[in-house]
Amino acid sequence: KNQVEQSPQSLIILEGKNCTLQCNYTVSPFSNLRWYKQDTGRGPVSLTIMTFSENTKSNGRYTATLDADTKQSSLHITASQLSDSASYICVVSDRGSTLGRLYFGRGTQLTVWP
Amino acid sequence: EADIYQTPRYLVIGTGKKITLECSQTMGHDKMYWYQQDPGMELHLIHYSYGVNSTEKGDLSSESTVSRIRTEHFPLTLESARPSHTSQYLCASGGIAGREYQETQYFGPGTRLLVL
Repeated sequence: KNQVEQSPQSLIILEGKNCTLQCNYTVSPFSNLRWYKQDTGRGPVSLTIMTFSENTKSNGRYTATLDADTKQSSLHITASQLSDSASYICVVSDRGSTLGRLYFGRGTQLTVWP
Repeated sequence: EADIYQTPRYLVIGTGKKITLECSQTMGHDKMYWYQQDPGMELHLIHYSYGVNSTEKGDLSSESTVSRIRTEHFPLTLESARPSHTSQYLCASGGIAGREYQETQYFGPGTRLLVL
């Protein structure tokens, strides 16, 4: 069964600190992996997208890594800000159809305290 | 900021009422999607469309229906709302035919539905 598991479920850090969120998946065949940021009451916004040939991609203070062999990805946030408080969702796409079916994790709820 | 809009943002309605959730995008995307998301849970695909006059059911069984008469418009209708329909509904668009590897889905702000 294709699944996407994220950890931790929730995380509290102090402003200015770094953190790393984890994503493990069993989706096969693999097409790409995306990280989304979802603010409370809003729709998800794409942060990064990586194909199987990419093992790291950055977007400002966000750096995503991908290990397609172990089927693991991480999202590292550097020098956290209060505005980083949100749910971070890992999404994996397969190549099973032209739709590129998406499998969503439940997200990691990050809270940044001042 | 993505040009995809949903109305209403919040809706409280009684059981048995017919409702339509609106979704529009101005990016010219062929593909549009409806997702359902409960608090703290993952998004579930309930409907999608490849283009005008194309609609398909997603992974999650839903009593809703959709239509795609215009590229930019993808409304979702519940003929008879029930308390079990209480959830957040997210519309998304994205996709360039033949370039699915690079597809990014742009999400609307969502509609929070409460059925009493």
